[in-house]
Amino acid sequence: GQQLNQSPQSMFIQEGEDVSMNCTSSSIFNTWLWYKQDPGEGPVLLIALYKAGELTSNGRLTAQFGITRKDSFLNISASIPSDVGIYFCAGRNTNAGKSTFGDGTTLTVKP
Amino acid sequence: GAVVSQHPSWVICKSGTSVKIECRSLDFQATTMFWYRQFPKQSLMLMATSNEGSKATYEQGVEKDKFLINHASLTLSTLTVTSAHPEDSSFYICSASGGYSNQPQHFGDGTRLSIL
Repeated sequence: GQQLNQSPQSMFIQEGEDVSMNCTSSSIFNTWLWYKQDPGEGPVLLIALYKAGELTSNGRLTAQFGITRKDSFLNISASIPSDVGIYFCAGRNTNAGKSTFGDGTTLTVKP
Repeated sequence: GAVVSQHPSWVICKSGTSVKIECRSLDFQATTMFWYRQFPKQSLMLMATSNEGSKATYEQGVEKDKFLINHASLTLSTLTVTSAHPEDSSFYICSASGGYSNQPQHFGDGTRLSIL
């Protein structure tokens, strides 16, 4: 089945720094999604991307749908302590039902 | 919008007990619901996909007789862990989609299951 490679696995950064993480796939997706999971809670959708090349922002977050449809990245600018958590990418094909999730990037922000 | 409610948040019970977890879409009709299991510091492991009114599709290696899934309405799916044992202890998360054709999955807050 389709698999996603998400990197890095974990990041330790200083408050105020910018963060970048990405996902790559050997096959194409029609939709790329980015979620954040806080400890003990379910993932929350951050950004949804529906078109190759699309660049979308949500506050300090920016995500792009790769032109080849096989990759996506998420950037967080000027990180703050509440950005701590696990970030998951997910790829999905329309009407295929389930999404394929990456293994997550664990972000730690030092005040 | 797109709120998914999961209940209960935390369950502690004795070995051999069956546990039911509910997942509700509060403000949209969920034609498809998904059940995941997550171990500490690991990714989401899809257990099964259910469409309203039909039998769930289980992922390879997931025992359908152990994890009973019912999706009887467009707003409710349930996962029953039958005769639970300590190895079933985990974080179970549901998600739902279906309000519109390309709606992303939205997740519940998860259920922490601890079997003594």
